[in-house]
Formats: sequence, structure tokens, C-alpha cells
Amino acid sequence: SQQGEEDPQALSIQEGENATMNCSYKTSINNLQWYRQNSGRGLVHLILIRSNEREKHSGRLRVTLDTSKKSSSLLITASRAADTASYFCATVLYGNKLVFGAGTILRVKS
Amino acid sequence: DAGVTQSPTHLIKTRGQQVTLRCSPKSGHDTVSWYQQALGQGPQFIFQYYEEEERQRGNFPDRFSGHQFPNYSSELNVNALLLGDSALYLCASSPIAPGGADTQYFGPGTRLTVL
Repeated sequence: SQQGEEDPQALSIQEGENATMNCSYKTSINNLQWYRQNSGRGLVHLILIRSNEREKHSGRLRVTLDTSKKSSSLLITASRAADTASYFCATVLYGNKLVFGAGTILRVKS
Repeated sequence: DAGVTQSPTHLIKTRGQQVTLRCSPKSGHDTVSWYQQALGQGPQFIFQYYEEEERQRGNFPDRFSGHQFPNYSSELNVNALLLGDSALYLCASSPIAPGGADTQYFGPGTRLTVL
């Protein structure tokens, strides 16, 4: 079963705009990760945030984590057409078993 | 340095048949996990192998089994295929023992279609 929900399910923006995706989860976590998937192929790891962290940056990516609300957000700034993909959040409680949400489909129009 | 590789890329089977999917982890990785991703959904964890043993298992029936070889490569076997087994099967590897690594590296997947 899925851990939680991503919101929105789909997002369409113009190149240069920012894209924000939200993720909610149900259980306690050790860390939360975001992955990107292009055209139904393999997933690419984007960023990891641990349960004791509140915000993390990596290039044009900014991730926040609110463990009291069991939610996370992924912000992609200055989006590009190449950012078009599906984005998934995944939680880890122990070991490195990933529990994924259903994903957000992002389309960046040029 | 080769990443995670999977074979075959695509596979078509009929109901009741058996299938074997293969995965070679990224160099230096010794833990392999398998995920099933149905169309339009997020991946679901099937199981994880380390030191040639199944270490964690998700909510999948015994029809799904696996194996890890001494060179860390892995196989996923599915018996008595059902239409609902049609999905993208993803293999992921990580660099050290379970519990010690966070980032997983995914292969391109095997697309299984059951007719």
C-alpha cells in the first residue's frame, strides 16, 4: 500500500516558473526522499531530508519537512522543459525500504 | 562505471506462466531491492536481498521469489502469472548493508505484460 499522497496529482507550468509539489505520509519516518521518473523508466534520486531536518537545498531544488504535520514539499525554481517528469516522495522508517506515494506529474511548457 | 542494469527491457507472457527478471547492481553495491510499479502508481516494495538472503519483504504473495548471487546480482521470479502482475519492475541497489545507506540507485526497469 502507498504511504501517503502527493498533491497535486498533475501540474502544468510555463518554463521559468516555480513548481511546488506536496507530500503527506502516515507513519513515523527516519528520512524522506524525492525521486524523479522520466517516461515510466527508472527513478533518479533527487534529495534526502532526515527527520531532524526542516529544510534542505540542492541546486534549484528546495525541500521542507514538517514532521508534526507529516508532510513535505518539493520546490523546483526556474523550471525548464527538461524538468518534465513524474515526481515521487518516498519515506524510510528503517533499513532502506522505500515507501512511495502515488506521484505528481509535472509538465513544463516551453 | 556502469549503473544498475536490468534485463530484459520488455517481456510478454501469458497467464499461468513463470518469469525471471535479472538485475546487476551498481559497482560496489551489495544490497538489492525490487519494486513493482503499476501504471499510474508509485513503486511498491517487493523484497530486499543482502548477503544472498531475503532481509525485508513487502506485502506480496509467495508467487514472488528472489535470489541473490555471490557477485551481488539478483533475480526476481514470479510464478503463476496473473493479469495484475503486468507492471514495470524496478531494481535498486545501495552501497552498504541494510540500515547503513539511504540513497538507492535504480535501474531502467523491466516492463512485463501478462496477456
